[in-house]
Amino acid sequence: EIVLTQSPGTLSLSPGERVTISCRTSQSVNIYLAWYQHRPGQAPRLLIYGASSRASGIPDRFSGNGSGTDFTLTISRLEPEDFAVFYCQQYGTSPYTFGQGTKLEIK
Amino acid sequence: QLQESGPGLVKPSETLSLTCSVSGPSVSTSGYYWAWIRQPPGKGLEWIGKIYYSGMTYYNPSLKSRGTISIDMSKNQISLNLRSVTAADTAIYFCARQQDYYDSTGYYRADFDYWGRGTLVTVSS
Repeated sequence: EIVLTQSPGTLSLSPGERVTISCRTSQSVNIYLAWYQHRPGQAPRLLIYGASSRASGIPDRFSGNGSGTDFTLTISRLEPEDFAVFYCQQYGTSPYTFGQGTKLEIK
Repeated sequence: QLQESGPGLVKPSETLSLTCSVSGPSVSTSGYYWAWIRQPPGKGLEWIGKIYYSGMTYYNPSLKSRGTISIDMSKNQISLNLRSVTAADTAIYFCARQQDYYDSTGYYRADFDYWGRGTLVTVSS
């Protein structure tokens, strides 16, 4: 199966700052990569699909980039509600797999 | 909305049974699978498997054929049965809708666009 490695594991930032999270896949997934936000006790939320397409209702401060094996999720200006755990997921090959998560916490 | 339900505690070697009640979208809508995903404590997310309204299913080989996903269109529900559970099956279990179509740019979508909040299942005697 394809292994996804996210970095960093944890980030401590302040509202208004810019953040970039990395996701590397063990083999090429073309652009078949999605990003999710998960706040504790809530349902995970789809942010990005197809590596760079924003899902419905997602603010434009969220952007995704990459193809092949290297991908990034960028939040241009952090809002208080953005602090959560973020996961990447590949759907290029079954079984579909996720990264281990990046926790974004308030500094 | 998706809502998972089922026992919070299951004994080792028994069968874990969960239900996902879907309100809003119909589970019989073409272009979407309905999936189960789990997250063991302190670990990442693991895709368990998916089902189409036709009954077609796909599973993660890591389950070693212990899992069965079914669909009840009359109740707009999907279910998961996981047999012969061990402590390693302790996790938060999520149900989610998984896309299954080619978008306007010609690229395939198989991301998860709607999720439930999850339900914690502990395997312990």
